[in-house]
Amino acid sequence: AQSVTQPDIHITVSEGASLELRCNYSYGATPYLFWYVQSPGQGLQLLLKYFSGDTLVQGIKGFEAEFKRSQSSFNLRKPSVHWSDAAEYFCAVGAYSSASKIIFGSGTRLSIRP
Amino acid sequence: GAGVSQSPSNKVTEKGKDVELRCDPISGHTALYWYRQSLGQGLEFLIYFQGNSAPDKSGLPSDRFSAERTGGSVSTLTIQRTQQEDSAVYLCASNSGQGTYGYTFGSGTRLTVV
Repeated sequence: AQSVTQPDIHITVSEGASLELRCNYSYGATPYLFWYVQSPGQGLQLLLKYFSGDTLVQGIKGFEAEFKRSQSSFNLRKPSVHWSDAAEYFCAVGAYSSASKIIFGSGTRLSIRP
Repeated sequence: GAGVSQSPSNKVTEKGKDVELRCDPISGHTALYWYRQSLGQGLEFLIYFQGNSAPDKSGLPSDRFSAERTGGSVSTLTIQRTQQEDSAVYLCASNSGQGTYGYTFGSGTRLTVV
């Protein structure tokens, strides 16, 4: 069965510090992986996506993610966080071969310490 | 349109009443999805449309929930005899269903059942 695990419910980092948000997935076919961000009271915004090719993908707002097939992971990173990065982050997995549903993790809430 | 449009943005209804939520996808997008996000929770898949048909409606929580899509465009999610546990943000997404598509989300409808 498809599933996405985000083991960290809430993370607090200092402004300017580096960030890594963890995501592990379980998927029977070639996965199509996403990271979305949801700011308070806002909709979901796509940060980046991965379906093939270079396993390190660059996204918007200075975020990047690395796909590691052997570990079934797709962790999100940012070298230096800004106060405006405080939000909820969701990892998701879908089927590359079709436009069927994508399954979301439960999210990681990121707080920024001044 | 330029983005996925959902209406109303907020809806307060009395327990037992029926409600209709509307989603207008990006023009030309053949695939449309409904998700539900309860307070502090992740996104729960409800139903997926490809054109006017629904190949996957496995996430509809009960027979009080139904959805339709007409003309391969606008979709309506109907909740009959609303209950307090139906209170949530209902999100709609669409994609082109081709190639390396991304799922674009609307801003959601916040439903409150009192």
